[in-house]
Amino acid sequence: DVKVTQSSRYLVKRTGEKVFLECVQDMDHENMFWYRQDPGLGLRLIYFSYDVKMKEKGDIPEGYSVSREKKERFSLILESASTNQTSMYLCASFTGNTIYFGEGSWLTVV
Amino acid sequence: DAKTTQPPSMDCAEGRAANLPCNHSTISGNEYVYWYRQIHSQGPQYIIHGLKNNETNEMASLIITEDRKSSTLILPHATLRDTAVYYCIVRVANNAGNMLTFGGGTRLMVKP
Repeated sequence: DVKVTQSSRYLVKRTGEKVFLECVQDMDHENMFWYRQDPGLGLRLIYFSYDVKMKEKGDIPEGYSVSREKKERFSLILESASTNQTSMYLCASFTGNTIYFGEGSWLTVV
Repeated sequence: DAKTTQPPSMDCAEGRAANLPCNHSTISGNEYVYWYRQIHSQGPQYIIHGLKNNETNEMASLIITEDRKSSTLILPHATLRDTAVYYCIVRVANNAGNMLTFGGGTRLMVKP
Protein backbone atom coordinates (compact mmCIF):
# COMPACT_ATOMS: atom_id res chain seq x y z
CA ASP A 1 0.00 0.00 0.00
CA VAL A 2 1.08 3.52 -0.70
CA LYS A 3 1.78 5.42 2.45
CA VAL A 4 1.94 9.12 3.17
CA THR A 5 3.38 9.46 6.61
CA GLN A 6 3.31 12.58 8.72
CA SER A 7 5.93 12.26 11.40
CA SER A 8 4.12 14.05 14.20
CA ARG A 9 0.49 13.43 14.99
CA TYR A 10 0.13 15.90 17.85
CA LEU A 11 2.43 18.82 18.73
CA VAL A 12 2.32 21.66 21.21
CA LYS A 13 4.70 24.55 20.54
CA ARG A 14 5.29 27.98 22.03
CA THR A 15 4.76 31.26 20.22
CA GLY A 16 7.91 32.22 18.33
CA GLU A 17 9.28 28.69 18.05
CA LYS A 18 10.41 27.29 14.73
CA VAL A 19 8.30 24.28 13.81
CA PHE A 20 8.96 21.55 11.26
CA LEU A 21 6.22 19.29 9.98
CA GLU A 22 7.56 16.38 8.00
CA CYS A 23 5.80 14.36 5.33
CA VAL A 24 7.20 11.30 3.60
CA GLN A 25 5.71 9.24 0.79
CA ASP A 26 7.05 5.92 -0.39
CA MET A 27 5.90 5.73 -4.02
CA ASP A 28 8.16 8.16 -5.88
CA HIS A 29 5.37 10.70 -6.40
CA GLU A 30 6.29 14.00 -7.98
CA ASN A 31 3.44 16.13 -6.63
CA MET A 32 3.10 16.81 -2.92
CA PHE A 33 0.89 19.24 -1.03
CA TRP A 34 0.43 20.83 2.36
CA TYR A 35 -3.03 21.90 3.52
CA ARG A 36 -4.37 23.25 6.74
CA GLN A 37 -7.83 22.49 7.97
CA ASP A 38 -9.86 24.71 10.27
CA PRO A 39 -13.48 24.43 11.41
CA GLY A 40 -15.82 26.00 8.89
CA LEU A 41 -13.04 26.73 6.39
CA GLY A 42 -12.45 23.30 4.87
CA LEU A 43 -9.00 22.44 3.52
CA ARG A 44 -6.87 25.33 2.32
CA LEU A 45 -3.74 24.85 0.25
CA ILE A 46 -0.57 26.30 1.78
CA TYR A 47 2.15 25.14 -0.63
CA PHE A 48 2.69 22.44 -3.18
CA SER A 49 5.66 20.97 -4.95
CA TYR A 50 5.82 19.23 -8.31
CA ASP A 51 9.44 18.11 -8.17
CA VAL A 52 12.56 18.15 -6.04
CA LYS A 53 13.54 21.70 -5.07
CA MET A 54 10.44 23.08 -6.80
CA LYS A 55 7.69 24.76 -4.83
CA GLU A 56 4.65 26.87 -5.52
CA LYS A 57 2.53 28.99 -3.22
CA GLY A 58 -1.00 27.89 -2.60
CA ASP A 59 -3.85 30.01 -1.29
CA ILE A 60 -2.47 30.82 2.17
CA PRO A 61 1.36 30.72 2.14
CA GLU A 62 1.92 33.61 4.56
CA GLY A 63 3.84 32.56 7.65
CA TYR A 64 4.98 29.28 6.10
CA SER A 65 7.82 27.97 3.99
CA VAL A 66 8.56 24.53 2.57
CA SER A 67 11.49 22.36 1.66
CA ARG A 68 11.73 19.55 -0.90
CA GLU A 69 15.35 18.37 -0.94
CA LYS A 70 14.41 14.77 -1.74
CA LYS A 71 11.53 13.48 -3.78
CA GLU A 72 10.01 11.47 -0.95
CA ARG A 73 10.05 14.23 1.67
CA PHE A 74 8.12 17.51 1.77
CA SER A 75 8.58 19.62 4.87
CA LEU A 76 6.40 22.47 6.08
CA ILE A 77 8.19 25.08 8.17
CA LEU A 78 6.74 27.67 10.49
CA GLU A 79 9.63 30.09 11.00
CA SER A 80 8.06 31.72 14.05
CA ALA A 81 4.92 29.99 15.20
CA SER A 82 1.93 32.10 16.14
CA THR A 83 -1.32 31.20 17.85
CA ASN A 84 -3.29 31.68 14.64
CA GLN A 85 -1.35 28.79 13.17
CA THR A 86 -3.00 26.38 15.58
CA SER A 87 -4.64 23.96 13.18
CA MET A 88 -4.68 20.52 11.68
CA TYR A 89 -2.14 20.14 8.87
CA LEU A 90 -2.61 17.58 6.10
CA CYS A 91 -0.02 16.37 3.65
CA ALA A 92 -0.99 14.75 0.35
CA SER A 93 0.81 13.30 -2.62
CA PHE A 94 -0.49 12.69 -6.10
CA THR A 95 0.39 10.67 -9.15
CA GLY A 96 -1.59 9.56 -12.17
CA ASN A 97 -5.20 9.60 -11.06
CA THR A 98 -4.82 8.97 -7.37
CA ILE A 99 -4.41 11.32 -4.42
CA TYR A 100 -3.07 9.97 -1.15
CA PHE A 101 -3.42 11.75 2.18
CA GLY A 102 -1.55 11.48 5.43
CA GLU A 103 -3.38 11.15 8.72
CA GLY A 104 -2.84 14.77 9.72
CA SER A 105 -0.76 16.66 12.26
CA TRP A 106 -2.55 18.55 15.01
CA LEU A 107 -0.52 21.60 15.98
CA THR A 108 -1.32 23.77 18.98
CA VAL A 109 0.64 27.00 19.46
CA VAL A 110 0.45 28.43 22.96
CA ASP B 1 -8.54 27.58 -11.66
CA ALA B 2 -11.62 25.46 -11.38
CA LYS B 3 -13.39 25.94 -8.06
CA THR B 4 -16.02 23.78 -6.47
CA THR B 5 -19.02 24.69 -4.34
CA GLN B 6 -20.93 22.34 -2.08
CA PRO B 7 -23.75 22.79 0.44
CA PRO B 8 -22.31 23.04 3.94
CA SER B 9 -24.49 20.35 5.44
CA MET B 10 -27.08 17.70 4.68
CA ASP B 11 -29.10 15.15 6.61
CA CYS B 12 -30.06 11.70 5.45
CA ALA B 13 -32.13 8.93 7.03
CA GLU B 14 -30.34 5.65 7.64
CA GLY B 15 -30.97 3.19 4.81
CA ARG B 16 -31.95 5.88 2.34
CA ALA B 17 -29.85 7.18 -0.54
CA ALA B 18 -27.68 10.20 0.18
CA ASN B 19 -27.23 12.52 -2.81
CA LEU B 20 -24.44 15.04 -2.39
CA PRO B 21 -24.16 17.76 -5.06
CA CYS B 22 -21.09 19.63 -6.24
CA ASN B 23 -20.89 22.58 -8.61
CA HIS B 24 -17.74 22.96 -10.72
CA SER B 25 -18.94 25.29 -13.44
CA THR B 26 -15.44 26.40 -14.54
CA ILE B 27 -14.07 22.89 -14.99
CA SER B 28 -12.20 22.30 -18.23
CA GLY B 29 -12.30 19.30 -20.48
CA ASN B 30 -9.37 17.32 -19.11
CA GLU B 31 -9.99 17.84 -15.41
CA TYR B 32 -11.18 15.00 -13.22
CA VAL B 33 -13.67 15.22 -10.39
CA TYR B 34 -12.75 13.36 -7.21
CA TRP B 35 -14.75 12.68 -4.08
CA TYR B 36 -13.20 12.11 -0.68
CA ARG B 37 -14.65 11.92 2.77
CA GLN B 38 -13.18 12.70 6.15
CA ILE B 39 -14.23 11.36 9.48
CA HIS B 40 -13.19 13.51 12.41
CA SER B 41 -9.44 13.52 13.18
CA GLN B 42 -8.57 11.18 10.30
CA GLY B 43 -7.05 11.82 6.89
CA PRO B 44 -9.44 11.98 3.91
CA GLN B 45 -10.53 8.67 2.42
CA TYR B 46 -10.87 8.18 -1.33
CA ILE B 47 -14.38 7.37 -2.58
CA ILE B 48 -14.56 7.71 -6.35
CA HIS B 49 -13.47 9.82 -9.30
CA GLY B 50 -14.58 10.44 -12.89
CA LEU B 51 -14.02 12.51 -16.00
CA LYS B 52 -17.11 12.43 -18.21
CA ASN B 53 -18.96 9.17 -17.72
CA ASN B 54 -20.91 8.10 -14.68
CA GLU B 55 -18.94 5.83 -12.39
CA THR B 56 -19.87 3.23 -9.79
CA ASN B 57 -17.84 1.26 -7.28
CA GLU B 58 -18.53 -0.64 -4.09
CA MET B 59 -18.85 2.55 -2.07
CA ALA B 60 -20.79 4.97 -4.25
CA SER B 61 -21.91 6.21 -7.64
CA LEU B 62 -20.81 9.41 -9.33
CA ILE B 63 -23.14 11.15 -11.74
CA ILE B 64 -21.57 13.89 -13.89
CA THR B 65 -23.82 16.16 -15.95
CA GLU B 66 -23.34 16.20 -19.69
CA ASP B 67 -21.89 19.72 -19.61
CA ARG B 68 -19.64 18.64 -16.69
CA LYS B 69 -20.54 21.73 -14.70
CA SER B 70 -21.82 19.72 -11.77
CA SER B 71 -21.79 16.25 -10.28
CA THR B 72 -23.59 14.24 -7.62
CA LEU B 73 -22.18 11.63 -5.31
CA ILE B 74 -24.71 8.97 -4.40
CA LEU B 75 -24.40 6.70 -1.38
CA PRO B 76 -27.15 4.21 -2.20
CA HIS B 77 -27.95 2.99 1.33
CA ALA B 78 -26.51 5.38 3.89
CA THR B 79 -25.43 3.99 7.25
CA LEU B 80 -24.53 5.77 10.46
CA ARG B 81 -20.85 5.16 9.65
CA ASP B 82 -21.24 7.32 6.53
CA THR B 83 -21.57 10.39 8.74
CA ALA B 84 -18.57 12.48 7.64
CA VAL B 85 -17.51 15.56 5.72
CA TYR B 86 -17.53 14.90 1.97
CA TYR B 87 -15.19 16.82 -0.29
CA CYS B 88 -15.56 17.33 -4.02
CA ILE B 89 -12.15 17.94 -5.58
CA VAL B 90 -11.20 19.04 -9.08
CA ARG B 91 -7.78 18.10 -10.32
CA VAL B 92 -6.34 21.16 -11.97
CA ALA B 93 -3.42 20.74 -14.34
CA ASN B 94 -1.44 23.91 -14.97
CA ASN B 95 2.05 24.91 -16.00
CA ALA B 96 3.31 24.44 -12.46
CA GLY B 97 2.17 20.84 -12.31
CA ASN B 98 -0.95 19.46 -10.72
CA MET B 99 -2.92 21.31 -8.09
CA LEU B 100 -5.77 19.95 -6.02
CA THR B 101 -8.66 22.34 -5.43
CA PHE B 102 -11.01 21.51 -2.59
CA GLY B 103 -14.57 22.59 -2.17
CA GLY B 104 -15.75 23.60 1.28
CA GLY B 105 -17.11 20.14 1.94
CA THR B 106 -20.56 18.92 2.91
CA ARG B 107 -21.11 17.64 6.42
CA LEU B 108 -23.42 14.66 5.99
CA MET B 109 -25.33 13.57 9.06
CA VAL B 110 -26.95 10.14 8.76
CA LYS B 111 -29.73 9.81 11.30
CA PRO B 112 -31.38 6.64 12.63
